[in-house]
Amino acid sequence: KQEVTQIPAALSVPEGENLVLNCSFTDSAIYNLQWFRQDPGKGLTSLLLIQSSQREQTSGRLNASLDKSSGRSTLYIAASQPGDSATYLCAVVLEGGGNKLTFGTGTQLKVEL
Amino acid sequence: EAGVAQSPRYKIIEKRQSVAFWCNPISGHATLYWYQQILGQGPKLLIQFQNNGVVDDSQLPKDRFSAERLKGVDSTLKIQPAKLEDSAVYLCASSFGQKYYGYTFGSGTRLTVV
Repeated sequence: KQEVTQIPAALSVPEGENLVLNCSFTDSAIYNLQWFRQDPGKGLTSLLLIQSSQREQTSGRLNASLDKSSGRSTLYIAASQPGDSATYLCAVVLEGGGNKLTFGTGTQLKVEL
Repeated sequence: EAGVAQSPRYKIIEKRQSVAFWCNPISGHATLYWYQQILGQGPKLLIQFQNNGVVDDSQLPKDRFSAERLKGVDSTLKIQPAKLEDSAVYLCASSFGQKYYGYTFGSGTRLTVV
């Protein structure tokens, strides 16, 4: 059974700081890994998708890396802003697993002025 | 492009009552998902439809939960009777196909069972 863990559970940083969110998964036979953002009372917004054959993806100030063999992914946020405050979730799709997302428990990020 | 629509946004019911949630996916998206997100946890898949057929309902508590997707478009998720532990956000999502084409999530329905 695939288990996805995210560390830390919560993080508070001052504006402008660079930060790293961690995600680990127990079954390395994944099809892809995604990072989502969830704002209070809202649904999930997809940030970055990394296919199993890729090592990283970048979008603006966000960079996600994937080390499939060690079962780890990181989300790097550069020059954090108060608008980045949200819960960040990683999720994996297993090979042969249809399109089912298995989520971690999330990291709640607060960027303070 | 219109997003995934869900209603209601909030619902409060007493335990043992029944409740239904509605979802309208993005037009043309063949695959529809219902996820349950308990406070402090990541979403968990309850059921996945491909058109109007069920692909995966292995984590759906079938003694009290039911879902249908008539005509392969919108979907309804029902809980009867509700328990306190059913308090959660119910998220609907859709994608173009069964293999990953990109998920779009709705805003969710927050259910409180008292």
